[in-house]
Amino acid sequence: NAGVTQTPKFRVLKTGQSMTLLCAQDMNHEYMYWYRQDPGMGLRLIHYSVGEGTTAKGEVPDGYNVSRLKKQNFLLGLESAAPSQTSVYFCASSPLQGTGELFFGEGSRLTVL
Amino acid sequence: QQQVKQSPQSLIVQKGGISIINCAYENTAFDYFPWYQQFPGKGPALLIAIRPDVSEKKEGRFTISFNKSAKQFSLHIMDSQPGDSATYFCAASIYRGWGGKLIFGQGTELSVKP
Repeated sequence: NAGVTQTPKFRVLKTGQSMTLLCAQDMNHEYMYWYRQDPGMGLRLIHYSVGEGTTAKGEVPDGYNVSRLKKQNFLLGLESAAPSQTSVYFCASSPLQGTGELFFGEGSRLTVL
Repeated sequence: QQQVKQSPQSLIVQKGGISIINCAYENTAFDYFPWYQQFPGKGPALLIAIRPDVSEKKEGRFTISFNKSAKQFSLHIMDSQPGDSATYFCAASIYRGWGGKLIFGQGTELSVKP
């Protein structure tokens, strides 16, 4: 049971570079989310998706783009990385008719120099 | 109005003591209040959750107390153990609506000393 898998787990970028974080879930969940975690700030929602082909903005969407071309995958892109995007990124998923529980991956640590 | 405020930021408790973490929210439409536990290097995992039709929910040593009029809820960990040392997040949402997304508090780093 893989659950929610994030790749890569660690990445170092230079300012202005681009990258994509991949989230894959094998639980057939409808909903998927990208959060970032920063000390003292908790978890803040970047973007989310309520189904294949749909995306919506969360609390802190600026500087990020997302795509949900397949139900099991949710991609988070940084077109031009900035030091302020240094963070730990978590992907999560939940079922349409679930209890409200979100199932999280183990995180991707991104450092932007 | 979407914020969830959590306190304290860090907490040190002796083994066997009671750990108490508090959260407050503003959006009266919120009707689902979970607590997540996160160990270092891991993603958060659901610990316990409550809906506002009850004022308290207990699961083992973990209890959520909910005060709808004050728009506050809290997590109590009884007989705290070193294995409970982790970061705890409260959250709020609109149950089965709002795309299932959660608004999280700032987190509390709990350390239980032997």
